[in-house]
Amino acid sequence: EIVLTQSPGTLSLSPGERATLSCRASQSVSSNYLAWYQQKPGQAPRLLIYGASSRATGVPDRFSGSGSGTDFTLTISRLEPEDFAVYYCQQYGGSLEVTFGPGTRVDIK
Amino acid sequence: QVQLQESGPGLVKPSETLSLTCAVSGYSINSAYYWGWIRQPPGKVLEWIGSMYHSGSTYYNPSLKSRVTISVDTSKNQFSLKVSSVTAADTAVYYCTRLLREYSYGPSDYWGQGTLVTVSS
Repeated sequence: EIVLTQSPGTLSLSPGERATLSCRASQSVSSNYLAWYQQKPGQAPRLLIYGASSRATGVPDRFSGSGSGTDFTLTISRLEPEDFAVYYCQQYGGSLEVTFGPGTRVDIK
Repeated sequence: QVQLQESGPGLVKPSETLSLTCAVSGYSINSAYYWGWIRQPPGKVLEWIGSMYHSGSTYYNPSLKSRVTISVDTSKNQFSLKVSSVTAADTAVYYCTRLLREYSYGPSDYWGQGTLVTVSS
C-alpha cells in the first residue's frame, strides 16, 4: 500500500502570504495520479487539483499543484480568508489502491 | 447542478449490516461517470471504499472488499452501500461522490454532505 505523508502538520500563516504544502509517497505514484482536496469544518472535501497539476473546475488560479514520482506540492500563492482549512492529498495510481494523506491544517496566524 | 444526498440509519449495532443510499439529482446516474463511497472516521484519515458504474461494474478497496457491496438503482437515480459485520472501527462519516470523468477509481469532484454512522450496541 502506498502511504502518503503530509508536512507540515499545521501551517500558521497570515492572509496574503504564500502557502507551500508537501505530500510525500512511500513509493512512486503511477502516472502522477495525485489529487489535492480542501476541507472546512462540517463540510465535505472539495477537489482542487488532480493529475498532480490540473486544476478542477472552478478552482481559483492561486491554487497550483506540482511534483512527480514521490514528492508533490500544493501551493497557494496568496492566502485568502476562505483558504484557511485542512488540505488532503490522495493518490490513485496503484491498482485498486486509493489512499489519502493525514492532512495539513492551514491556520490563521 | 449535480447534487448527492446520503440517507440511512445513524446507529448500527455491532455485527449487523450498515446500509446507506445516495440519491442523485441534477444528473442521470446512467451517464459516463463512476459513482463512489468514501468514509472518514472521526478525527482520522479519509478512506476510499469503492466505486461503481451504472452497468454494474464495481471496484472495491481490497481491505474492505469482503464486507462491502455497492449497487445501483437506475430507476430511482440512486446507488447504495452495504457494509456487513460492522464493528466500532466502521464508525465514520460516510460520503457518496461522483468521480471525475474517465476515472473508475480516483478523484471525486462532487460530494454529498456526508452522514455519520455510529456502530454501537
